[in-house]
Amino acid sequence: ETGVTQTPRHLVMGMTNKKSLKCEQHLGHNAMYWYKQSAKKPLELMFVYSLEERVENNSVPSRFSPECPNSSHLFLHLHTLQPEDSALYLCASSQDAALATLGSSYEQYFGPGTRLTVT
Amino acid sequence: AQSVTQLGSHVSVSEGALVLLRCNYSSSVPPYLFWYVQYPNQGLQLLLKYTSAATLVKGINDFEAEFKKSETSFHLTKPSAHMSDAAEYFCAVIRFSGGYNKLIFGAGTRLAVHP
Repeated sequence: ETGVTQTPRHLVMGMTNKKSLKCEQHLGHNAMYWYKQSAKKPLELMFVYSLEERVENNSVPSRFSPECPNSSHLFLHLHTLQPEDSALYLCASSQDAALATLGSSYEQYFGPGTRLTVT
Repeated sequence: AQSVTQLGSHVSVSEGALVLLRCNYSSSVPPYLFWYVQYPNQGLQLLLKYTSAATLVKGINDFEAEFKKSETSFHLTKPSAHMSDAAEYFCAVIRFSGGYNKLIFGAGTRLAVHP
């Protein structure tokens, strides 16, 4: 596997279920991100992890719980979601998230996303 | 704070015609700018990036973008559209805050290419 992978690609869950999304990057990067992409809304940054430490929580409801056990893996644990949480959830990674890291070009590499439907 | 605005949520061109997708940025510091493409049911793929080197940036699939500071623009162009270029395109800028950098995306422009 190369790049950024996400599993599952599609997920249908009820509002009382608990599920997890998984992201894995094979690029040797130190930063990982979760984004939400809804119809008719811009891409929304949810969480940022730098060297396995969460450095950004963009006012995301607590029913979304991220976990970053190491620099290659990122999870998004879901529980008691609402229908409006249905969206494409994208994971991304970059070399670093720290400000002005010498030599960093800042671009992020994205996975294919998980299409989540909450019923 | 850094931000981008994409003009036109939908653009339609004929196959072989020039593609022009518009992006204007707002930044009080020299910006780092990106164009990404998203094909149906896929993630975002980096097309090209501007990081304060050459103002004309060439990317993949014959796309290019020109950084114009006087116009605060970073428009994406391609001389001749292919059917396979139909996708959604996102302009993005790096925002530096809280000691970390974040990508801030525009709302996206959906490109349709018709025969």
